[in-house]
Amino acid sequence: DIQMTQSPSSLSASIGDRITITCRASQTISGFLNWYQHKPGKAPKLLIYAASRLQRGVPSRFSGSASGTDFTLTINSLQPEDFASYYCQQSSSTPPLTFGGGTKVEIK
Amino acid sequence: EVKLVESGGGLGQPGRSLRLSCVASGFTFDDHAMHWVRQAPGKGLEWVSGIGWNSGDIGYADSVKGRFTISRDNAKNSLYLQMNSLRPEDTAFYYCVKDINGYPSPRSAFDIWGQGTIVTVSS
Repeated sequence: DIQMTQSPSSLSASIGDRITITCRASQTISGFLNWYQHKPGKAPKLLIYAASRLQRGVPSRFSGSASGTDFTLTINSLQPEDFASYYCQQSSSTPPLTFGGGTKVEIK
Repeated sequence: EVKLVESGGGLGQPGRSLRLSCVASGFTFDDHAMHWVRQAPGKGLEWVSGIGWNSGDIGYADSVKGRFTISRDNAKNSLYLQMNSLRPEDTAFYYCVKDINGYPSPRSAFDIWGQGTIVTVSS
C-alpha cells in the first residue's frame, strides 16, 4: 500500500500568514493527490484534486503543487475560517485510498 | 441541494453487527462511485470501503476486510455498510462520501460528504 506522510502535524499561524503543508508519497502517484479541509463537527470539504485543480467554490487563496512524490498545499493570506485540519489523500493506487495523518492549523 | 444522510449508527457490542445506511439526494446517484470513510476519536481520516456505480470495483481497507460489506441500491439512491464481527477499534464517526468519478480510480476525489453517524463498539 502507498503511505502518505504529512507534515507538520500541527502549526500555529496568524491571520494573513501564508502557510504550507506537505505530503510525501511512499512511491510515485503521478499527481493523483487530493486535499481536504475538516472542521470539528462538520463534514470534510474537498479543496484541491489532481494535485493542483481547485474545487468549484474554493477560494483562490488555496493552491496545490507537486514535485515528484512531494505535494504541497499552500494557503495565502490565512483567514479566520481557515483554522481547521487538513488532509491529503492519494488516489493513484486503490484500494486503499490512503489519507495522510493530517495537519491541524491553529491560531497563534 | 446535494445531500448525503447517514443513519444506523449507535452502540454495538464486540462481535455483533451493525448496518449503516446512507440516502443520497440532489444528484444522479448511479453516475457515481460511493465510499465510506471513518474517523476514530482523536485520529485522522481512514478510508473504509468503496463501490462503483454499478456495484462493481468494490474495495476494502485491510482493517475491515472480511468483516464489512459495502453495497448500494441505485433504485433507492442508497448506500449501505454491513459491519459484522465488530471490534472496539471500529469505534468512529462514519461518513458516507460521493466520488466525482463513476468508479474508484486514480481520478477519484470525494466532493460530497454526509454529516456522519457515530458507531461505538463497547460491551
